[in-house]
Amino acid sequence: SQELEQSPQSLIVQEGKNLTINCTSSKTLYGLYWYKQKYGEGLIFLMMLQKGGEEKSHEKITAKLDEKKQQSSLHITASQPSHAGIYLCGADGAAGNKLTFGGGTRVLVKP
Amino acid sequence: GAVVSQHPSRVICKSGTSVKIECRSLDFQATTMFWYRQFPKQSLMLMATSNEGSKATYEQGVEKDKFLINHASLTLSTLTVTSAHPEDSSFYICSASPGMSLTYEQYFGPGTRLTVT
Repeated sequence: SQELEQSPQSLIVQEGKNLTINCTSSKTLYGLYWYKQKYGEGLIFLMMLQKGGEEKSHEKITAKLDEKKQQSSLHITASQPSHAGIYLCGADGAAGNKLTFGGGTRVLVKP
Repeated sequence: GAVVSQHPSRVICKSGTSVKIECRSLDFQATTMFWYRQFPKQSLMLMATSNEGSKATYEQGVEKDKFLINHASLTLSTLTVTSAHPEDSSFYICSASPGMSLTYEQYFGPGTRLTVT
């Protein structure tokens, strides 16, 4: 089965600073999804990456998928308190859209 | 965007009783629905995948007789936790997808916090 490792597990950053979260797969990624979860709530879809070398941005969040399609990073520029939450990467396998999730990264932004 | 609702958002039940959680896709037809469980400070664990009109496919280690899943229509799936015990206390999240292939996105519900006393 596919395993996803996220690092770091938790992160505290000062408001205005940048942060990066990594997601590494044991197998080739067919589709890599980034979600944000506020504590005790559902998941908010951020971005999906499918092609090697692909990069997508939305507002201050940029996600990249490496050429080998085994590692993805999520970068937040000039973080704000609203960026606090749990960031999860998810991947689907070759058989369909059954998602496997990484362990999550808990982000806290200090004002 | 597509909206998925869950009901109830929170439920407290006594040990030994059963509790039903509903997952609805509000503005699209969900061919496939997924049920996840999330323990405190941990990631989501897929429990089962259900397709409308057919039996759910359970992940290894998930008791199908304890976690009954019904996907009776293209907009509703239910998860019933039977004979609940305190160790079943968890955050349950459903997601819904309009298709089965890689090109379809999953839309997540807001989650249901179950506490078994």
